[in-house]
Amino acid sequence: AQSVTQPDIHITVSEGASLELRCNYSYGATPYLFWYVQSPGQGLQLLLKYFSGDTLVQGIKGFEAEFKRSQSSFNLRKPSVHWSDAAEYFCAVGPGNSGNTPLVFGKGTRLSVIA
Amino acid sequence: KAGVTQTPRYLIKTRGQQVTLSCSPISGHRSVSWYQQTPGQGLQFLFEYFSETQRNKGNFPGRFSGRQFSNSRSEMNVSTLELGDSALYLCASRATSGTNYGYTFGSGTRLTVV
Repeated sequence: AQSVTQPDIHITVSEGASLELRCNYSYGATPYLFWYVQSPGQGLQLLLKYFSGDTLVQGIKGFEAEFKRSQSSFNLRKPSVHWSDAAEYFCAVGPGNSGNTPLVFGKGTRLSVIA
Repeated sequence: KAGVTQTPRYLIKTRGQQVTLSCSPISGHRSVSWYQQTPGQGLQFLFEYFSETQRNKGNFPGRFSGRQFSNSRSEMNVSTLELGDSALYLCASRATSGTNYGYTFGSGTRLTVV
């Protein structure tokens, strides 16, 4: 069965510092991978997604993620964090457009940003 | 284009009552999924509808049900509400063809059961 592990429940970084959020997945087929961000009381906003091609994908808000098949990982990175990046981040694995299995989420990583 | 619209945004219900939540997907999207989000369990899949048919169902009791209409709008219903049903309910619509794959989520309905 597919699963997603986000090992870090909570991360605190200083504004301007770099960020890496970890994500490991288990999926039987070729995975479609996603990172979403959620601000308090809000829905999920898609940051970026990966299906095939270049293993380094660029997303919105200056985020990028690298797919490493050998490590079953899809880590999210940002070179310089802004205070507005404080939120909860979810990694997810799921089918492509034509697939019929559900999107599976990790437990999330809460990011705090300090001055 | 308009995003995914969920109504209402907030609900307060009493134990034993029933509730209906609504989700209007992005125009042209025929797949609608529902998720329950709680602090303890995270995001849990409830069900997915595609062209008015339930295509997948998560591990929730029969009190949770849904349906999808011919215009792709979806509703979910929870009967005999329990305190543990208090959660943020999120709906997502998905394109099922083309290159613009991915799930777009609504802002959610916050349900509080008292």
